[in-house]
Amino acid sequence: GAVVSQHPSRVICKSGTSVKIECRSLDFQATTMFWYRQFPKKSLMLMATSNEGSKATYEQGVEKDKFLINHASLTLSTLTVTSAHPEDSSFYICSATLAGGALDYSYEQYFGPGTRLTVT
Amino acid sequence: LAKTTQPISMDSYEGQEVNITCSHNNIATNDYITWYQQFPSQGPRFIIQGYKTKVTNEVASLFIPADRKSSTLSLPRVSLSDTAVYYCLVGYRRDDKIIFGKGTRLHILP
Repeated sequence: GAVVSQHPSRVICKSGTSVKIECRSLDFQATTMFWYRQFPKKSLMLMATSNEGSKATYEQGVEKDKFLINHASLTLSTLTVTSAHPEDSSFYICSATLAGGALDYSYEQYFGPGTRLTVT
Repeated sequence: LAKTTQPISMDSYEGQEVNITCSHNNIATNDYITWYQQFPSQGPRFIIQGYKTKVTNEVASLFIPADRKSSTLSLPRVSLSDTAVYYCLVGYRRDDKIIFGKGTRLHILP
């Protein structure tokens, strides 16, 4: 259980275009989803926290108008990279946490397989 | 969020036990310790989580001393497929944001 999927797994786009990445929790409801970016041989960097039905909270230095996040349902969050440029090329990973339950102290998050974005 | 410190890299051989230690001096009373594994071009995978003493599951053990200022992930009899980056994370609630440290790059040699 607790599977998170991402689509697409890899995408190549031209500079100036927009790309949408989907993150889905397949067998559970997720009140909170997180978006990360990872450059080669580097650690994951948190971009934003997404709560169902409300605006995302962005980390310092992450442009909210460039990285649009929508969390319209308990099983789906989307990240849209607007007007993509080559420097946006990276590995984007989402994670989700279980809604409700008794284990509120549990720090376990479930990660998606990631999306490789290449901007040419 | 408690800051964590891990070795940047480690090498070991197939069949050996590997121990990766993480320091978290400012861990809070409610914080749990969680370890993730990440292979190249994949999302991190949950390995184990604990609060104190020892936790064991089918893939690893987690040793946490009484002061909880450090923890040790133990991988028994590693294989080549255990080559990955291992992240130690400290936090409380499932909906708290996770800040990843640099992780430990483990390289298993034949």
